Amino acid sequence: SQQGEEDPQALSIQEGENATMNCSYKTSINNLQWYRQNSGRGLVHLILIRSNEREKHSGRLRVTLDTSKKSSSLLITASRAADTASYFCATPSGSARQLTFGSGTQLTVLP
Amino acid sequence: DGGITQSPKYLFRKEGQNVTLSCEQNLNHDAMYWYRQDPGQGLRLIYYSQIVNDFQKGDIAEGYSVSREKKESFPLTVTSAQKNPTAFYLCASSNSGRNPPGAKNIQYFGAGTRLSVL
Repeated sequence: SQQGEEDPQALSIQEGENATMNCSYKTSINNLQWYRQNSGRGLVHLILIRSNEREKHSGRLRVTLDTSKKSSSLLITASRAADTASYFCATPSGSARQLTFGSGTQLTVLP
Repeated sequence: DGGITQSPKYLFRKEGQNVTLSCEQNLNHDAMYWYRQDPGQGLRLIYYSQIVNDFQKGDIAEGYSVSREKKESFPLTVTSAQKNPTAFYLCASSNSGRNPPGAKNIQYFGAGTRLSVL
């Protein structure tokens, strides 16, 4: 079952611009994670934000979480061609610490 | 791709054949997971295992089987009952949050196996 849904499905920007991706989820969560996937590769964890946090930074990444709206956003500042990848949000599900992943945003950064 | 090794990178299955995808981790993680990813889609959970000799079905377990005889290994068999096996398969592991205390459920992924049908 899909818990998180990303928006937009695809995003194309110029190098140096900021990229914003959004994730909506359905049930209450205690944390939300963002992952990155380069084409044909595995996922790599980027950042985790807890339900009692509103904003978190890691390098050029900024994540926000609005639990009242059940939504999160990932902002990549000063994007680079190497940021081209798919980005997924993931929320805890089930009783065994599983994660449910959204459908992803495909980001293309043009040089 | 951290300490998780998936093999082979590419695999071809003939009709009626069972094939096994390998997943090995050296991260000393308790939990391991198998996901299926179709083109342009997110990940769907096939099976997961929290401890050795125990595993649970995920959302799309039909046509798949797993074993967890060792902590480091969690092989996935795609059986002939899986009629549409063509996909990208990802293995992941996590520390299950029990050890050390307060650890987060961050998952670490292998590089994936792409399975196609001949």
